[in-house]
Amino acid sequence: EPEVTQTPSHQVTQMGQEVILRCVPISNHLYFYWYRQILGQKVEFLVSFYNNEISEKSEIFDDQFSVERPDGSNFTLKIRSTKLEDSAMYFCASRELKGAVTEAFFGQGTRLTVV
Amino acid sequence: AQSVTQLGSHVSVSEGALVLLRCNYSSSVPPYLFWYVQYPNQGLQLLLKYTSAATLVKGINGFEAEFKKSETSFHLTKPSAHMSDAAEYFCAVSDPNAGNMLTFGGGTRLMVKP
Repeated sequence: EPEVTQTPSHQVTQMGQEVILRCVPISNHLYFYWYRQILGQKVEFLVSFYNNEISEKSEIFDDQFSVERPDGSNFTLKIRSTKLEDSAMYFCASRELKGAVTEAFFGQGTRLTVV
Repeated sequence: AQSVTQLGSHVSVSEGALVLLRCNYSSSVPPYLFWYVQYPNQGLQLLLKYTSAATLVKGINGFEAEFKKSETSFHLTKPSAHMSDAAEYFCAVSDPNAGNMLTFGGGTRLMVKP
């Protein structure tokens, strides 16, 4: 069964460093998302991406964050200068069709720890 | 704006007992509603979805949920709990006017006692 793949599964980084979280969405999907879950808190929407551009973004997704689909298969989330409060589980998701009510498929997540 | 409230961050049931996980939503447009399950150290897996067809929705692993517009609820049930149902369950609402982004509830951790 097709699945969303995220790498790495765990990432430890020092405060102020840049990190790139990688995702390979399901191949025929058109809509891509990043969500995050701070330990003990809700899963929160960060950003959606369609047709090679950001479709929606939340207040969390400030100038420190960026997304890219560099090669038609990978979908990355970059945090330029990590802060302690960026420590969280980051989930990538993809969805098949724009506008249709299809479910989002989630990856296993990347646990980011900023020290 | 949309929101989801899950009553009870922790629910404990005995094996074989009824599972009831509560979800109430707020949405300015007809909602699309989802239940996801998260097993330890895994991602979010879809259990079931409501998309304005039948109000009683059946999902995987014997779970079902009923959409009640008058109560703005979408509670998840299973007649008989199994040990393998122990996990965290998330209710979510989708905004079709915002790229179908999901707004999640706080989650309910289900514990199943032998």
